[in-house]
Amino acid sequence: NAGVTQTPKFRILKIGQSMTLQCAQDMNHNYMYWYRQDPGMGLKLIYYSVGAGITDKGEVPNGYNVSRSTTEDFPLRLELAAPSQTSVYFCASSYGRTGRGETNEKLFFGSGTQLSVL
Amino acid sequence: QQPVQSPQAVILREGEDAVINCSSSKALYSVHWYRQKHGEAPVFLMILLKGGEQKGHDKISASFNEKKQQSSLYLTASQLSYSGTYFCGTLRGGKLIFGQGTELSVKP
Repeated sequence: NAGVTQTPKFRILKIGQSMTLQCAQDMNHNYMYWYRQDPGMGLKLIYYSVGAGITDKGEVPNGYNVSRSTTEDFPLRLELAAPSQTSVYFCASSYGRTGRGETNEKLFFGSGTQLSVL
Repeated sequence: QQPVQSPQAVILREGEDAVINCSSSKALYSVHWYRQKHGEAPVFLMILLKGGEQKGHDKISASFNEKKQQSSLYLTASQLSYSGTYFCGTLRGGKLIFGQGTELSVKP
């Protein structure tokens, strides 16, 4: 039972470099999310997806891009990395069954990617 | 707009009780509660789906007052293992938005 798998676990980037954070889930979940968490702070939603081919912005989308070509995978792309993007990134997924138009299923989180931009 | 949690931090002795509150300026349809230990990913505790609902998980329970747009998490007879940061989450158009977190420290 792999659950939500994130790679890499750690990465150091130079300013201006680009990279893709990988996220895969094997639970056939419809909903997937990307959050960032700065030291001592809460979780901020970057992007989310309610199914393959459908993505939408969260609270802090600037500087990031996502795609969802399959149900299983939801990669997060950083273009032109900046020091402000130094953070821990968490991917999460849920089944997404809804009531009153909202998800009511619990989130399963990956173990996180610690990214430093120097 | 993210939900607001209070207090921001609390320190307890083993066996003491605590209450963490989560409030929103907009209507709540459901409230999620998660706990995150240092250096780990958040872990699901419970979801409350409708006003008046109460749930329990071991000695951790929660209530949801839909009219007041708030939820409370109750930790009874706290244990060392309860230490961590607690987050409430609310839905905004399908997005799950979290509060800023409440750091709970349980001392022997």
